Amino acid sequence: EVQLLESGGGLVQPGGSLRLSCAASGFAFSNYAMSWVRQAPGKGLEWVSTITGIGGSTYYADSVKGRFTISRDTSKNTLYLQMNSLRAEDTAVYSCAKGGCSSPPCYISDFWGQGTLVIVSS
Amino acid sequence: SYVLTQPPSVSVAPGQTARITCGGNNIVSKSVQWYQQKPGQAPVLVVYAGTDRPSGIPERFSGSNSGNTATLTISRVEAGDEADYYCQVWDSSSDQYVFGTGTKVTVL
Repeated sequence: EVQLLESGGGLVQPGGSLRLSCAASGFAFSNYAMSWVRQAPGKGLEWVSTITGIGGSTYYADSVKGRFTISRDTSKNTLYLQMNSLRAEDTAVYSCAKGGCSSPPCYISDFWGQGTLVIVSS
Repeated sequence: SYVLTQPPSVSVAPGQTARITCGGNNIVSKSVQWYQQKPGQAPVLVVYAGTDRPSGIPERFSGSNSGNTATLTISRVEAGDEADYYCQVWDSSSDQYVFGTGTKVTVL
């Protein structure tokens, strides 16, 4: 059974940093692209970042490029999102998502975690 | 950047057909995915590669793509289909995934 468990969310001041983690199980983690997708309260889905399964190429939304860094540790089956220079508009539930294959352009996900809430506020 | 536009809402009576559109420049050249999201739940993939359904998704859900518009069709709508629906593509010109604006389907 595929499981994705996010952690690391919380309240942070503008300009601060957080690192999100996503523990994966139930599938061959290194073979699949993994993504972070966020959803602000009452808003739609927004893609944040993707890392490929093989080679570890990374992709970012313009809204987070230069501030966020996606990475993965295949020995721990864990996906990370390092978020720096956080802004109020980064407030959202962040979910990790298992890709449909090892790299784009296949679909973002056939399985999503439940998410972790990040609140950026003073 | 590539933009996908969906109608904010669609209303349909039980047993009827709901059609949700997703507009994008020459979207016919892209592989389109559709996700269903119910309140408080994670999204579920209902159509991928334009017309394919993952296992477990009812045949009532179908996708099509032509010109500048992709469409998700839900036949014989049930109360349980009430949810938000999002289209999604990969934009190779920017190397970014793009989600549509989302459509709330209400079953009357």
